[in-house]
Amino acid sequence: GENVEQHPSTLSVQEGDSAVIKCTYSDSASNYFPWYKQELGKRPQLIIDIRSNVGEKKDQRIAVTLNKTAKHFSLHITETQPEDSAVYFCAASIKGQKLVFGQGTRLTINP
Amino acid sequence: GAGVSQTPSNKVTEKGKYVELRCDPISGHTALYWYRQSLGQGPEFLIYFQGTGAADDSGLPNDRFFAVRPEGSVSTLKIQRTERGDSAVYLCASSLTGRGRSNEQFFGPGTRLTVL
Repeated sequence: GENVEQHPSTLSVQEGDSAVIKCTYSDSASNYFPWYKQELGKRPQLIIDIRSNVGEKKDQRIAVTLNKTAKHFSLHITETQPEDSAVYFCAASIKGQKLVFGQGTRLTINP
Repeated sequence: GAGVSQTPSNKVTEKGKYVELRCDPISGHTALYWYRQSLGQGPEFLIYFQGTGAADDSGLPNDRFFAVRPEGSVSTLKIQRTERGDSAVYLCASSLTGRGRSNEQFFGPGTRLTVL
């Protein structure tokens, strides 16, 4: 079955700098890749997603890139702010069915 | 409209007891998912319903776990003979399905289950 690896497990950046989180997946049939942000004690919230028919998607300070050949995708956050501090999860699925999540990245933005 | 809701928010039980966890999906969402999240880990898939039927139950860890969605809306996750290792946050999600639909899964707040 699908396996998703996520790195790094923790990431600390200065406010205003960029943050990059990387994930790899194993099943070439996966075609939907969402990223979720989870604050302590809260539910996961979708921040951006990408389908396998595109290579990049942007939404303000957030972007995701997908390399289908290498089976990896990345989350890029620019101009980081303190409210970006949270745990971020990548996931992969086939046709939007069950999500297989990565292990998570704890992002800390230092003022 | 209202998001996904789950009850109870917290459940403390003793080893060997039976528990039921409830999920109310977003109205009109045909797909419903159960995940389990242990501390410091990503959510782990348990079961997925399309309408009333379980389309994929490959994530249920053993036969102590069972879920139903009899009318295609509310779902109940049932755990028999609970064990301390079942302690986790149980998350429910729902989504629209079909051609042209977003694949976004909307998560509920979760039920924190503690087995003593």
